Amino acid sequence: DTGVSQNPRHKITKRGQNVTFRCDPISEHNRLYWYRQTLGQGPEFLTYFQNEAQLEKSRLLSDRFSAERPKGSFSTLEIQRTEQGDSAMYLCASLTGVLGDTQYFGPGTRLTVL
Amino acid sequence: GNSVTQMEGPVTLSEEAFLTINCTYTATGYPSLFWYVQYPGEGLQLLLKATKADDKGSNKGFEATYRKETTSFHLEKGSVQVSDSAVYFCALSVGGKLTFGQGTILTVHP
Repeated sequence: DTGVSQNPRHKITKRGQNVTFRCDPISEHNRLYWYRQTLGQGPEFLTYFQNEAQLEKSRLLSDRFSAERPKGSFSTLEIQRTEQGDSAMYLCASLTGVLGDTQYFGPGTRLTVL
Repeated sequence: GNSVTQMEGPVTLSEEAFLTINCTYTATGYPSLFWYVQYPGEGLQLLLKATKADDKGSNKGFEATYRKETTSFHLEKGSVQVSDSAVYFCALSVGGKLTFGQGTILTVHP
């Protein structure tokens, strides 16, 4: 069990550019979640996958955001035409899907949009 | 909708003091309840959890009891240490998705 990993750990970009983040979940976990955390706040749900199927998206996820999980393994979160308001920590978590099971979080990707 | 409310912070205590961080929730269905901790420069870690009413979660001297009648899950520790300084998040899960409170910053002085 190597834990949930995320890359890159930090990303600085200019407004209007596209960025992509990657999450590698714990290998036997079939559910994968993305959250966004802004300074001084708790994480907020963005979207989640069961295997390769994206089952729910938050209203926070504008059309500029897209997430994929090909083959039900790693996942990517892409933000197009970034805005300064997108600056946040993007967190990925995974769990087995068993009722009451624990979500294990990755270290996050901190995005700064200049 | 689901929501979690934590006591306002920051909380500053001396070492060996008693800690309580209040957490109340609103949820549809039957949530599982969690406390996560975020140490400086690190990611979110599960501290403890409870999956049904009257369950007590405990870990590293911290405890919280799932109180359905008061919709609460208050975090307590009898004697805090400097190493407990961190941000603490109360959260609930319905169907797997977590809803977090805003977090409480705890600082413990020697």
